[in-house]
Amino acid sequence: RKEVEQDPGPFNVPEGATVAFNCTYSNSASQSFFWYRQDCRKEPKLLMSVYSSGNEDGRFTAQLNRASQYISLLIRDSKLSDSATYLCVVNRGYSTLTFGKGTMLLVSP
Amino acid sequence: DGGITQSPKYLFRKEGQNVTLSCEQNLNHDAMYWYRQDPGQGLRLIYYSQIVNDFQKGDIAEGYSVSREKKESFPLTVTSAQKNPTAFYLCASSRTVNTGELFFGEGSRLTVL
Repeated sequence: RKEVEQDPGPFNVPEGATVAFNCTYSNSASQSFFWYRQDCRKEPKLLMSVYSSGNEDGRFTAQLNRASQYISLLIRDSKLSDSATYLCVVNRGYSTLTFGKGTMLLVSP
Repeated sequence: DGGITQSPKYLFRKEGQNVTLSCEQNLNHDAMYWYRQDPGQGLRLIYYSQIVNDFQKGDIAEGYSVSREKKESFPLTVTSAQKNPTAFYLCASSRTVNTGELFFGEGSRLTVL
């Protein structure tokens, strides 16, 4: 099993739709979790951290399920500008981050 | 403005030549990193440094070398020993190693002809 797995997509959704991505991780000792966003041919940028109790930032909601070892990202009321690749990132706690390959989102008018 | 500057943005080299990619940060961060990204692939860690004059190999260090003589600078050399050097190279920094918030430079696209 790969350390961090994501459905590569693309997810094609119309503006205004709600879309959700999941990410699974293999190391149960993983301590912290993040979602990054990467626009085409650009650098990744931190979107949000994922807390055990779940957290929300505007239209974005992140959740963590430690028992099943997955994290999720929900985007409500999708905008054209949300089109990007979303990277799931895991910190094992003693070292550096492990990045998933990303899930591509395409929002159409 | 604080940030990370990578140069050059695009680079073409012939096979067998060494290439050095520059990375400078003015965020006063202790930790710096080099990642490689290939199409359809996740970011893979090449080297990282927690502090000046110290660095560790990442998952794919073979064929690469780094130095950390100054806090602000973490150059990466892609040597002729690297079998598939054509890739998108990303430099990042963070306050410390054990943190989830990395700040990335805009990347350097290396093409070996």
